[in-house]
Amino acid sequence: AQSVTQLGSHVSVSEGALVLLRCNYSSSVPPYLFWYVQYPNQGLQLLLKYTSAATLVKGINGFEAEFKKSETSFHLTKPSAHMSDAAEYFCAVSDRSGGYQKVTFGTGTKLQVIP
Amino acid sequence: GAGVSQTPSNKVTEKGKYVELRCDPISGHTALYWYRQSLGQGPEFLIYFQGTGAADDSGLPNDRFFAVRPEGSVSTLKIQRTERGDSAVYLCASARQGDNEQFFGPGTRLTVL
Repeated sequence: AQSVTQLGSHVSVSEGALVLLRCNYSSSVPPYLFWYVQYPNQGLQLLLKYTSAATLVKGINGFEAEFKKSETSFHLTKPSAHMSDAAEYFCAVSDRSGGYQKVTFGTGTKLQVIP
Repeated sequence: GAGVSQTPSNKVTEKGKYVELRCDPISGHTALYWYRQSLGQGPEFLIYFQGTGAADDSGLPNDRFFAVRPEGSVSTLKIQRTERGDSAVYLCASARQGDNEQFFGPGTRLTVL
């Protein structure tokens, strides 16, 4: 069984400030971990993914995340928030024990960027 | 190239009616997934196709829900006797065989009155 917990359904930051979105996971097998972004009325777009290579993963739009096995965390960060970063972010976990990606998503964090 | 497309983008129906939601995956993607996203929630897995066959339908909530992919490309999610609780955004995603990245469509927003 696998699950994801995202702390904070809403996060507000000032433009130019650090963005930190928290994600903790639970998985019975070594996980694959993902962060997706969803803009209003659009589908999910992959920001970055961890697939057991480097623990610090860099993604698009300046975002990065660090896999910490000891903390079962995969927090998403960006040094300086942009107005265009305002969106909903989903952390997700999957395993390939069945030979395919069965992805479990968190409940999402809405990021507000204040000018 | 073209991404995953879903039609219709919005569907409003009455309780008890039958609806079909269509997904066109990226050409060449053999894996296809359906998810349901209720208001304020993350997407929830419904069903996975590898080629024409449903390899995992464990997420379908009940027997009113059914999905097909007869030629291994386009898929249709079918909901019989719709209920107000079925109102949600239905997302489709496709992937290359063996790849861990799923590409999502924009979704179909289903509203059951």
